Amino acid sequence: GAGVSQSPRYKVAKRGQDVALRCDPISGHVSLFWYQQALGQGPEFLTYFQNEAQLDKSGLPSDRFFAERPEGSVSTLKIQRTQQEDSAVYLCASSPRGGDSYEQYFGPGTRLTVT
Amino acid sequence: EDQVTQSPEALRLQEGESSSLNCSYTVSGLRGLFWYRQDPGKGPEFLFTLYSAGEEKEKERLKATLTKKESFLHITAPKPEDSATYLCAVPGAGNQFYFGTGTSLTVIP
Repeated sequence: GAGVSQSPRYKVAKRGQDVALRCDPISGHVSLFWYQQALGQGPEFLTYFQNEAQLDKSGLPSDRFFAERPEGSVSTLKIQRTQQEDSAVYLCASSPRGGDSYEQYFGPGTRLTVT
Repeated sequence: EDQVTQSPEALRLQEGESSSLNCSYTVSGLRGLFWYRQDPGKGPEFLFTLYSAGEEKEKERLKATLTKKESFLHITAPKPEDSATYLCAVPGAGNQFYFGTGTSLTVIP
């Protein structure tokens, strides 16, 4: 079946621009996570949704970052007024059950480059 | 503070040369330890979940084990296609999920 998809795969933004990154999780998956991965590092947690509820946004680095999942399926991560330090790969993962004690299935990521 | 540390950072093996990767963790009340494989330009791919000390899981040439403080990923007779970055992760407080920085494995034919 279809896995997690993310779009766009690559995004180049000029400093100060707003960007929106999309995640299509596996159909029926309850949980959705967003991560930021810098080169040579492991993924860093940004935020967690259970269905449409954003239960944890403690990893969002600033108030320029905003995520939503209004109908409990597709999610969008929005970054306002992008800065160079926002350059990274943004990964989305979904899990069939609620909570964080279950395996996550990752998308291919969106590579964001801020110039 | 919850933390995950992986070693070594990089490992080069000859094809057929078995070895182990380490993941040590400090987290209150372990609710699972997860191993993932990540190929360049791709998202992590789930391998194993271990929930309690003494548990072991196997998949082809990989075997994961868990103690109260660390986990090992044993690679037996690796092949070049096993080359990848191997990540371990644990749930932390709330719904956070902590990943290590990974071990980059290169298997030379």
